[in-house]
Amino acid sequence: AQKVTQAQTEISVVEKEDVTLDCVYETRDTTYYLFWYKQPPSGELVFLIRRNSFDEQNEISGRYSWNFQKSTSSFNFTITASQVVDSAVYFCALSGMGGANSKLTFGKGITLSVRP
Amino acid sequence: DTGVSQDPRHKITKRGQNVTFRCDPISEHNRLYWYRQTLGQGPEFLTYFQNEAQLEKSRLLSDRFSAERPKGSFSTLEIQRTEQGDSAMYLCASRGTGGKETQYFGPGTRLLVL
Repeated sequence: AQKVTQAQTEISVVEKEDVTLDCVYETRDTTYYLFWYKQPPSGELVFLIRRNSFDEQNEISGRYSWNFQKSTSSFNFTITASQVVDSAVYFCALSGMGGANSKLTFGKGITLSVRP
Repeated sequence: DTGVSQDPRHKITKRGQNVTFRCDPISEHNRLYWYRQTLGQGPEFLTYFQNEAQLEKSRLLSDRFSAERPKGSFSTLEIQRTEQGDSAMYLCASRGTGGKETQYFGPGTRLLVL
């Protein structure tokens, strides 16, 4: 069985602060994908990033960066210099590779509030 | 590409009524997924199609739920004899193949059962 744990439920920061969202996962699969999605108040899930289990290279995209550590089964997400528009619920998700294992297992989400 | 679309966006119904939701995936995406999201929770998998074949169903999908994808394009999710516990956001996602493993989500249908 697959499991994603997002231990933080709500985080509140002041604009321009850096913030890290934690994600820990469990899976018996040897190959898998990890994802982060953003859900703004409008409700639509917006894809942010996908990582393959065999690629532990960290990734940076603008103010966003992701730290994947297989040894600790973690896939953390950092927003640098946060902005009010970053306020949303952020979900970490896991799927296997291959059609039969392709469904996403989500964590419970982290509500991020960025105050001006 | 246009994104995934869902219709209706909101539905209010009385307990015991039947409801049907529609999802139009990104064109040429052969895989389509349904998820349900309740307040304060992450989305939970309901069912999955590859083309017109329904390949997996969650135990969450009781006998009152049925999903179809008759021509491998759009999909419908029907809930019969709705219960208050069915109130949730129903999300549809689609993805392609051959390195295109990311699921893209529609805006969801928010169901309220009174």
